[in-house]
Amino acid sequence: NAGVTQTPKFRILKIGQSMTLQCTQDMNHNYMYWYRQDPGMGLKLIYYSVGAGITDKGEVPNGYNVSRSTTEDFPLRLELAAPSQTSVYFCASTEGPSYNSPLHFGNGTRLTVT
Amino acid sequence: KNQVEQSPQSLIILEGKNCTLQCNYTVSPFSNLRWYKQDTGRGPVSLTIMTFSENTKSNGRYTATLDADTKQSSLHITASQLSDSASYICVVIPTSGTYKYIFGTGTRLKVLA
Repeated sequence: NAGVTQTPKFRILKIGQSMTLQCTQDMNHNYMYWYRQDPGMGLKLIYYSVGAGITDKGEVPNGYNVSRSTTEDFPLRLELAAPSQTSVYFCASTEGPSYNSPLHFGNGTRLTVT
Repeated sequence: KNQVEQSPQSLIILEGKNCTLQCNYTVSPFSNLRWYKQDTGRGPVSLTIMTFSENTKSNGRYTATLDADTKQSSLHITASQLSDSASYICVVIPTSGTYKYIFGTGTRLKVLA
């Protein structure tokens, strides 16, 4: 089991460019999440999905878009990169938001927008 | 407002020593409380999960405690090792809006030889 895989690991973007952060999981989890982690701050939820074809906004969705066409994949799209989007992005998945289901995280994508 | 606060922000200890990390939360009601370990450059990894009715949960040298009355949790690390150097994150899951995990800012622990 690879768990949650994120690509790329690092990326530098110029202001206004676009990119897609890839996330795939091989645990057949229905629930998937995108978080961003800024220095000195707790992880903030960007978008989440409770199953294929279903997505919803989290706390900080502005400037991002997601899709969930399959159970395995949950890509995050940045359309017009801004310096405020410089952060480390984590994808996570879980069987469900119940007691016995921990969140499984990928190893993150470090994005710099200049 | 639902918040999770952790202390200290950072901690340095010598290998072999014990330490305790604190988590105070205002989330109410909540479903469960979790502790995660995050190594530098990696994603967080689950250490313990406790429901509101549990007082303690162990995972090897890691022991988490929970006092739902005072809304406090602690993570005790026994006989620390160099590999314990990491950030430790407290996470609280509200009963309502179960997708909205609330993360603390973490305690950065450094274990020195």
